[in-house]
Amino acid sequence: DSGVTQTPKHLITATGQRVTLRCSPRSGDLSVYWYQQSLDQGLQFLIQYYNGEERAKGNILERFSAQQFPDLHSELNLSSLELGDSALYFCASSPLPQGFTGELFFGEGSRLTVL
Amino acid sequence: AQKVTQAQTEISVVEKEDVTLDCVYETRDTTYYLFWYKQPPSGELVFLIRRNSFDEQNEISGRYSWNFQKSTSSFNFTITASQVVDSAVYFCALSDNMEYGNKLVFGAGTILRVKS
Repeated sequence: DSGVTQTPKHLITATGQRVTLRCSPRSGDLSVYWYQQSLDQGLQFLIQYYNGEERAKGNILERFSAQQFPDLHSELNLSSLELGDSALYFCASSPLPQGFTGELFFGEGSRLTVL
Repeated sequence: AQKVTQAQTEISVVEKEDVTLDCVYETRDTTYYLFWYKQPPSGELVFLIRRNSFDEQNEISGRYSWNFQKSTSSFNFTITASQVVDSAVYFCALSDNMEYGNKLVFGAGTILRVKS
């Protein structure tokens, strides 16, 4: 158990809909990352938040948005869903820079199926 | 741009065989970090190792060993005496920014099947 909690674990929805994925990082971790894993794109970095602020952006679509709240949990919002958005969405967190080992702790992922 | 190539899509071995997973990376940065992650059938990603670009010393952890060679931009992973529990997808990854955390660039992964 990595200590990172993601909900829901599975989600089935229809095209055009909007969903929200939630992530609670490990206690004390200030950075939260979102990754998308799909068969055709592999593991792709989407976005990183550090202590509530957006820190880095990757291949995140404009239909997707994220935020990190004061309690450090994060949400990834996916809107106007398309079939191609079906994927496993991972959240990861990392410790404070001081003493940072470089390890990302990944949650079990949220599997999104768009029908 | 950073890139990680894992040319082996899938490897099948029989238990107790040694197996090496290849990883080749590209980066223009002089300081970078290399990682291996394991994704078992349950789906979560498990950290195995991190290597800094300025530390080419190879590492051994039990049945696992890693060979980092800057001259060939490779960071290969060897499992000695493989076991069925080693069956998983293994990802090699690269990062250059450690100040606020890792933005990892992953390879496509290598599926390892260990048969009994």
